[in-house]
Amino acid sequence: GDSVTQMEGPVTLSEEAFLTINCTYTATGYPSLFWYVQYPGEGLQLLLKATKADDKGSNKGFEATYRKETTSFHLEKGSVQVSDSAVYFCALAIQGAQKLVFGQGTRLTINP
Amino acid sequence: KAGVTQTPRYLIKTRGQQVTLSCSPISGHRSVSWYQQTPGQGLQFLFEYFSETQRNKGNFPGRFSGRQFSNSRSEMNVSTLELGDSALYLCASSTGLGGNTIYFGEGSWLTVV
Repeated sequence: GDSVTQMEGPVTLSEEAFLTINCTYTATGYPSLFWYVQYPGEGLQLLLKATKADDKGSNKGFEATYRKETTSFHLEKGSVQVSDSAVYFCALAIQGAQKLVFGQGTRLTINP
Repeated sequence: KAGVTQTPRYLIKTRGQQVTLSCSPISGHRSVSWYQQTPGQGLQFLFEYFSETQRNKGNFPGRFSGRQFSNSRSEMNVSTLELGDSALYLCASSTGLGGNTIYFGEGSWLTVV
């Protein structure tokens, strides 16, 4: 079945460090890929998305590129801030379906 | 434009009781889906409704049910609550068309004691 595997957390970095959170997927069709972020006590917010191979999603300094050959969608940010501390979820949706399959989430903590 | 609204935000129920959670989607969105989030199982898909019809269903027991009204608002119900049903229940809405973005509400925190 369809699945998403994320880099295990928690991840702790210093402010202004470079961030990478790995995400790989298994899907039978041609999925759309997403990164969602969850701040403490809140729901999920869409961070970025990509709907086809080689697409790059970007938002708030975060980027991720849809790599079909490696079935990956790694999240990157060049310089993290304390306010980026949250849990990050990678997810896929099979084209045409309104059902998201999530990775297990990666808790990120940024220290000043 | 108002986001996805869920009520209530927090509730405590006793084992064996039932609970109903409500969700109002973003205006114009016809698809509403529900997810359960727990520390052990992560985020799991419960079901999705589109134009009052259940279109997708996850692997949850029959105690979990839902419905959608003609105005796209949705409710989910859990009967005969168990301790393991304690979770954050998230509602999400979208236009229902392929490739579109799915937006989430703040969630309803359910504690079963």
